[in-house]
Amino acid sequence: GAVVSQHPSWVICKSGTSVKIECRSLDFQATTMFWYRQFPKQSLMLMATSNEGSKATYEQGVEKDKFLINHASLTLSTLTVTSAHPEDSSFYICSARDGGGPSYEQYFGPGTRLTVT
Amino acid sequence: KQEVTQIPAALSVPEGENLVLNCSFTDSAIYNLQWFRQDPGKGLTSLLLIQSSQREQTSGRLNASLDKSSGRSTLYIAASQPGDSATYLCTTDKLIFGTGTRLQVFP
Repeated sequence: GAVVSQHPSWVICKSGTSVKIECRSLDFQATTMFWYRQFPKQSLMLMATSNEGSKATYEQGVEKDKFLINHASLTLSTLTVTSAHPEDSSFYICSARDGGGPSYEQYFGPGTRLTVT
Repeated sequence: KQEVTQIPAALSVPEGENLVLNCSFTDSAIYNLQWFRQDPGKGLTSLLLIQSSQREQTSGRLNASLDKSSGRSTLYIAASQPGDSATYLCTTDKLIFGTGTRLQVFP
């Protein structure tokens, strides 16, 4: 199956700083990638849809100015958590479809654990 | 808006049992349904993808069925093993996840 990578796998940062998380599709091109967050013992919540070459689409309640998404190429999307606070501590996971429409399979990255102190 | 429910929330069984995990969704206008497993602190591993035109998919000891009209999917795990212990999640193309079934298979 297709492979999606994330970097870093974990990061600790101080409150007020910004953190960038990378999501890469290694063996396929992804025009659309998705960013999720997962709190302990909870399910995944979709944050935003990242579209190559255009603005991301954010889910209701997700602050677009706080979670900056850039999808500059067909294999890379980045999520930047700006002015991070302890409540932003979570497990962030990206995914990508190996095709251009909703009928295609989703492949997930291994996740990034963010801890804000 | 799509809602996804998974039953049971948790399951603890001895090795060798055949298992049934259930997933229900409210919006039947779907393209597909996908089952994943998630190990603690890890990402999601895709298990099976069922297109809306299909009724089931099989991979090894896993079989997933889809009844689109009733908004249900079932994941069958045959002859369970301790290595099957994980959280199992389902989602449709609408990208809404259920809360998962936490499975523990003990020797």
